[in-house]
Amino acid sequence: DTAVSQTPKYLVTQMGNDKSIKCEQNLGHDTMYWYKQDSKKFLKIMFSYNNKELIINETVPNRFSPKSPDKAHLNLHINSLELGDSAVYFCASSQGASGGNTDTQYFGPGTRLTVL
Amino acid sequence: KQEVTQIPAALSVPEGENLVLNCSFTDSAIYNLQWFRQDPGKGLTSLLLIQSSQREQTSGRLNASLDKSSGRSTLYIAASQPGDSATYLCASNDYKLSFGAGTTVTVRA
Repeated sequence: DTAVSQTPKYLVTQMGNDKSIKCEQNLGHDTMYWYKQDSKKFLKIMFSYNNKELIINETVPNRFSPKSPDKAHLNLHINSLELGDSAVYFCASSQGASGGNTDTQYFGPGTRLTVL
Repeated sequence: KQEVTQIPAALSVPEGENLVLNCSFTDSAIYNLQWFRQDPGKGLTSLLLIQSSQREQTSGRLNASLDKSSGRSTLYIAASQPGDSATYLCASNDYKLSFGAGTTVTVRA
């Protein structure tokens, strides 16, 4: 059983399109995250949700919109895709919120997005 | 703004050697420091989490130390094996995880 799963694994699309990436966790965790790993391998947090509430929103263009329909799911919708959006996007989850607790984050396998 | 640096960027050693991976961070007001492993095309796997009140944490052949006052953490991997080849990432945790760029390790058989 995969703890944190993402779909799709690969996504190739044209500039200007709108796309979504889905994430599901079966660990019963309260908190989920989206990270972006760029071509230089830097991993940066984008968003975090705790019990479906947005708790971290980094300086991400508003073309990116996360949605959490329930605690087990956190989707990422991207409008008007740009070349610079090409990256690997990772979903993660933890029992509590990242600040102040000792819970480990569990990561999904990543979605490689290529914008042409 | 927290900045995390990992040195060296890459490391190649023969099997059996001990590995020493360094991580430094600029803001010592952290809750914990975490080490992850990333295999090519895969997600991250948590290796060790050191709370801010701890000096070190051990798991099998892995040992991580934390010196919060100087903003440094070191990951030691004893008796390296080819299966240890991967990229190792450290991340400091204030209210969010801030990652270094990683150290890519190759263990030669």
